[in-house]
Amino acid sequence: DQQVKQNSPSLSVQEGRISILNCDYTNSMFDYFLWYKKYPAEGPTFLISISSIKDKNEDGRFTVFLNKSAKHLSLHIVPSQPGDSAVYFCAASENTDKLIFGTGTRLQVFP
Amino acid sequence: GAVVSQHPSRVICKSGTSVKIECRSLDFQATTMFWYRQFPKQSLMLMATSNEGSKATYEQGVEKDKFLINHASLTLSTLTVTSAHPEDSSFYICSAADRGLGNTIYFGEGSWLTVV
Repeated sequence: DQQVKQNSPSLSVQEGRISILNCDYTNSMFDYFLWYKKYPAEGPTFLISISSIKDKNEDGRFTVFLNKSAKHLSLHIVPSQPGDSAVYFCAASENTDKLIFGTGTRLQVFP
Repeated sequence: GAVVSQHPSRVICKSGTSVKIECRSLDFQATTMFWYRQFPKQSLMLMATSNEGSKATYEQGVEKDKFLINHASLTLSTLTVTSAHPEDSSFYICSAADRGLGNTIYFGEGSWLTVV
């Protein structure tokens, strides 16, 4: 049972434009959500997080939006840069440090 | 620099042997660490929660006798893959939370295990 899903396995965006990565979850008890960037054979790199009491969090080029009623969150990257090309995972937790990861979306930013 | 370090980063072992992977928190103490595994082009799957001074908590479907976890100190957790088989070949990653830094969760660099 996949509690956290990323329905788009890949996304291709032109440099300078906005990248929008989506994530859906089923467990209404999740109260903390995170986005990670990952390269092959490396550990995930933390990007941004959001608590369930908020609906938006922004950090530089990265903004995460949370829609609790829809059990949906999204990561916006603007402007997208070629160095952003990687696999992005959303993750969720239920009042613990134990993370449940989504299936990942491979983002490719082309010039 | 890395705040959670794993060793080794890559290991090749023969079928039937055991291999140990270490996870260390470098600048903080971690009473709880987590072990994940990732198969190629798949998500990170939580295997177990490593608890300092007590038994690990395993996720459903993870064999505790095969994946031995020892959290002997506040900065070290080890994962031992016993009687390894080729299907155990995977990327293993640990994480730990720095409670002194807003509960930031850090991941290790990962350990790539190949069983031949």
